[in-house]
Amino acid sequence: DAGVIQSPRHEVTEMGQEVTLRCKPISGHDYLFWYRQTMMRGLELLIYFNNNVPIDDSGMPEDRFSAKMPNASFSTLKIQPSEPRDSAVYFCASSWGQETQYFGPGTRLLVL
Amino acid sequence: GQQLNQSPQSMFIQEGEDVSMNCTSSSIFNTWLWYKQDPGEGPVLLIALYKAGELTSNGRLTAQFGITRKDSFLNISASIPSDVGIYFCAGRPSYNNNDMRFGAGTRLTVKP
Repeated sequence: DAGVIQSPRHEVTEMGQEVTLRCKPISGHDYLFWYRQTMMRGLELLIYFNNNVPIDDSGMPEDRFSAKMPNASFSTLKIQPSEPRDSAVYFCASSWGQETQYFGPGTRLLVL
Repeated sequence: GQQLNQSPQSMFIQEGEDVSMNCTSSSIFNTWLWYKQDPGEGPVLLIALYKAGELTSNGRLTAQFGITRKDSFLNISASIPSDVGIYFCAGRPSYNNNDMRFGAGTRLTVKP
């Protein structure tokens, strides 16, 4: 079985540009999570969805960040406009109900 | 943000030694999880604990869910070089079972 798939694996962009990160959860999972990992703050939950509906976005840093889940097999995290402090590794994870979350390989974002 | 205190932050040990790390929280948790993250990858689940007092093993790894529900530990016996990585504790607080909090991680180095 394929695990959680994220793209791109690496992204380098300039400040002010729009960045879109993509995630395909494990088939059959009904929860999807977006995390950000930095050296300073560790792993932080940004937002999670249940059955494609955003449940808790209290971790989203500010209005520049938005996430969507148009269907059960696809989600995006968008940053517009991007800033250097957004540089981090962004992970997507999925789970079935309250079972264990399975993480994707992450997208390494560098904003210059 | 993080609500879990994980220690130690890093460990340097000789191959064959045993390792112990722990995690504490200020609030009660329903679930404790231990993940390992290899460089350039997402966290991978090692052990999941669902009941206070539960002691679970996975090969050379053993983890326990503290009876106060505010702590957990992970032991690795007879360490080998491939144990190198960052180990994270994670937990679901009792007030929000779909929220996942992470510790800052323990970076383990094993010298051959």
